Amino acid sequence: SQQGEEDPQALSIQEGENATMNCSYKTSINNLQWYRQNSGRGLVHLILIRSNEREKHSGRLRVTLDTSKKSSSLLITASRAADTASYFCATDAGTGRRALTFGSGTRLQVQP
Amino acid sequence: DGGITQSPKYLFRKEGQNVTLSCEQNLNHDAMYWYRQDPGQGLRLIYYSQIVNDFQKGDIAEGYSVSREKKESFPLTVTSAQKNPTAFYLCASSGDRVPFTEAFFGQGTRLTVV
Repeated sequence: SQQGEEDPQALSIQEGENATMNCSYKTSINNLQWYRQNSGRGLVHLILIRSNEREKHSGRLRVTLDTSKKSSSLLITASRAADTASYFCATDAGTGRRALTFGSGTRLQVQP
Repeated sequence: DGGITQSPKYLFRKEGQNVTLSCEQNLNHDAMYWYRQDPGQGLRLIYYSQIVNDFQKGDIAEGYSVSREKKESFPLTVTSAQKNPTAFYLCASSGDRVPFTEAFFGQGTRLTVV
């Protein structure tokens, strides 16, 4: 089952602009995480937001979580060419399967 | 350096062959996972293990097998029963079981059927 669906599938912006990616999920969760993947590489953890939190910041990253709408957003401010990558949300449903379930990802291209 | 290592980076399989992908971690993590990623897609869970000598099927376990004889190692065998094995395979580990805080990923193995 693909728990998360991300929107948009692809995003192209200029350096210095902000990038916003959205994630929707289907079941109740313990927490939601965002990961980054450079082309052909493994994933790197960016930030985690717990189900009882609404917003979290880490450097240029801002994550929001709306459990009533089962959705989250990742905002990258003042983007850089080095931010070019795919970004995935992942959920820990907390019951049953003890593994993260990943969304389909957003491919971000930051033009220098 | 602590981390999770996958080998080989590239693997070619002939039709009808079984192949084994290696995943080793020195993070002292209890939990390990195998995911499959197809081009332009998200990650799909193949198998996971919360503890040595125990593992569970994920969403797409058919045609795959695993073992967890040591805490550090979680090899994945792609059997001849897997009809479309060409994909990028990612191994991950986590020090937490309930709830998860962060998963650490290897650099992946790209498997191609020739």
